[in-house]
Amino acid sequence: AQKVTQAQTEISVVEKEDVTLDCVYETRDTTYYLFWYKQPPSGELVFLIRRNSFDEQNEISGRYSWNFQKSTSSFNFTITASQVVDSAVYFCALSERSGGGADGLTFGKGTHLIIQP
Amino acid sequence: DGGITQSPKYLFRKEGQNVTLSCEQNLNHDAMYWYRQDPGQGLRLIYYSQIVNDFQKGDIAEGYSVSREKKESFPLTVTSAQKNPTAFYLCASSPGLAAISETQYFGPGTRLLVL
Repeated sequence: AQKVTQAQTEISVVEKEDVTLDCVYETRDTTYYLFWYKQPPSGELVFLIRRNSFDEQNEISGRYSWNFQKSTSSFNFTITASQVVDSAVYFCALSERSGGGADGLTFGKGTHLIIQP
Repeated sequence: DGGITQSPKYLFRKEGQNVTLSCEQNLNHDAMYWYRQDPGQGLRLIYYSQIVNDFQKGDIAEGYSVSREKKESFPLTVTSAQKNPTAFYLCASSPGLAAISETQYFGPGTRLLVL
């Protein structure tokens, strides 16, 4: 079963529109961490946010905001007043201890966000 | 500047050839990781290392090997046993001993192509 699901493969909006990227995760752990990364065309992953499972407060950083809801196992990412520079692939990732897996991140397949001028 | 460097940016492999991808970090991080990214896919963990001279297999370690002789360096060798090596390879590091709370920071990546 996929542990991190980003159902939106690609989203295209016009500049200045608001856009929300969905992330649904699956874990049996009570302690886990969720991350969002941005991958611009250059390829390097840029860290955006880390959130632990005990902190359900929403977070805002400039035009970016994150909505963490344990009840629905979701960690959605909203960009307000989008700009062309926001065009990238965005990944949601999970860090957990269960399942005996390696201590790496489990990534979703990413959402390709296209901001049209 | 502190960061993670990967070289080369592009690498071409011939059939049956082993190739080595370089990853160096000057962040004084303990843990280092290698991920593989295929088109339209998320990243998958190949190997990780929590400390010098120790490393662990990830989810897709077959056909790959690593070494960790220095804290700053974590090279990845793609062996001839890896039948489908064409992918984008990303190296990452994190400050602590690969704890689940650690944020991983990524290098610019190496794109490997098979001739």
